[in-house]
Amino acid sequence: QSALTQPASVSGSPGQSITISCTGTSSDLGTYDFVSWYQQHPGKAPKLLIYEVTNRPSGISNRFSGSKSGNTASLTISGLQAEDEADYYCNSYTLRSTWVFGGGTKLTVL
Amino acid sequence: EVQLVESGGGLVEPGGSLRLSCGVSGFNFINYEMQWVRQAPGKGLEWVSYIGSSSGTTIYYADSVKGRFTISRDNAENSLYLQMNSLRAEDTAFYYCVRGIVGDYWGRGTLVTVSS
Repeated sequence: QSALTQPASVSGSPGQSITISCTGTSSDLGTYDFVSWYQQHPGKAPKLLIYEVTNRPSGISNRFSGSKSGNTASLTISGLQAEDEADYYCNSYTLRSTWVFGGGTKLTVL
Repeated sequence: EVQLVESGGGLVEPGGSLRLSCGVSGFNFINYEMQWVRQAPGKGLEWVSYIGSSSGTTIYYADSVKGRFTISRDNAENSLYLQMNSLRAEDTAFYYCVRGIVGDYWGRGTLVTVSS
């Protein structure tokens, strides 16, 4: 199972918005809406930001939003803050009843 | 408060075995599907295995560990396990215990190092 494709890095200035893409295939996120996004700070466990494409768990800021079109899912972070600097991973269920992660995107807040 | 605490990691030689445990508290364990996810040092996340809720009869594995790793659960002990056999250098990673299919709670991870 190949990993979902994410950009290696993105950057933005405080207050700006950025979008991280996650490209899969018709065997995973193109077919299923079981797409999640996680944030990971250095030395910490990943934290769930978005599940089932667009849903935010309780306690997650509405600055984080998710969407999907075809074989590509996206995470948008609005009003960038210094604390948003972290690694971000997408994840999808697959036709083979497995799950697959993206390679991860390092977000730098300039 | 939901807590997941992994244990059992350590240094093992190639070809060896380890059994990871994940003790949970703060939620009704029997009602939740569980997963193991790993992360090699400095690398990305890799899904490892899934076990269904209740009796845990539904089980899935990543191709990279199929036939070598076995996931199980003990609802009476509120514990999730990962038996790892025939370990390889490429299995070196932090292993995380994860609640549910959306992964709303993660443990802090336990480090497995496979090296001679």
